[in-house]
Amino acid sequence: GAGVSQTPSNKVTEKGKYVELRCDPISGHTALYWYRQSLGQGPEFLIYFQGTGAADDSGLPNDRFFAVRPEGSVSTLKIQRTERGDSAVYLCASSSSVSSYNEQFFGPGTRLTVL
Amino acid sequence: AQSVAQPEDQVNVAEGNPLTVKCTYSVSGNPYLFWYVQYPNRGLQFLLKYITGDNLVKGSYGFEAEFNKSQTSFHLKKPSALVSDSALYFCAVRDLNSGNTPLVFGKGTRLSVIA
Repeated sequence: GAGVSQTPSNKVTEKGKYVELRCDPISGHTALYWYRQSLGQGPEFLIYFQGTGAADDSGLPNDRFFAVRPEGSVSTLKIQRTERGDSAVYLCASSSSVSSYNEQFFGPGTRLTVL
Repeated sequence: AQSVAQPEDQVNVAEGNPLTVKCTYSVSGNPYLFWYVQYPNRGLQFLLKYITGDNLVKGSYGFEAEFNKSQTSFHLKKPSALVSDSALYFCAVRDLNSGNTPLVFGKGTRLSVIA
């Protein structure tokens, strides 16, 4: 079956602009996670959803970052007033529930470059 | 707080030789441990996980990992390396006793298998 998909695969923007990154989880997966991976680092947690609600957004770095999942499937990560430090690969993952026992399946990521 | 350490940025091994990629962890409760692999321009792929039970866990592509509670380690191993195993490997941990916490990843180890 189809895995997690993310669009766009690459996004280049200018400092100060607004961007949206989209994640399509595996069908039927109720839990969805966003991570950010900077060069030479492992993924760092941003936010996760159980259904439509954000269950934990403690990883969002500041209020320029926001994510939604209005129908409990597709999620959009939104970044306002982008800064060069936001440049990274943004990874989305989904799992069949938020149970600790379920592994997360990752998408290929969106590479964001802020000039 | 949970943490993961991957002490080696790079591991080089000759094809056909055994390989080990090291990981140590820190959690306050019981650990739930993962290994993921990342190929260029691809998302993270799940290799194996440890929850409870046998300390030696077998996973995809001939990889295995050994959980050692006294040393708080979860090293990834393979008896005979292939050139196609060359990739970036991430260890991750979740605290089973802290509810639905996100995965915490190490910074990754680049494995290079030389023909």
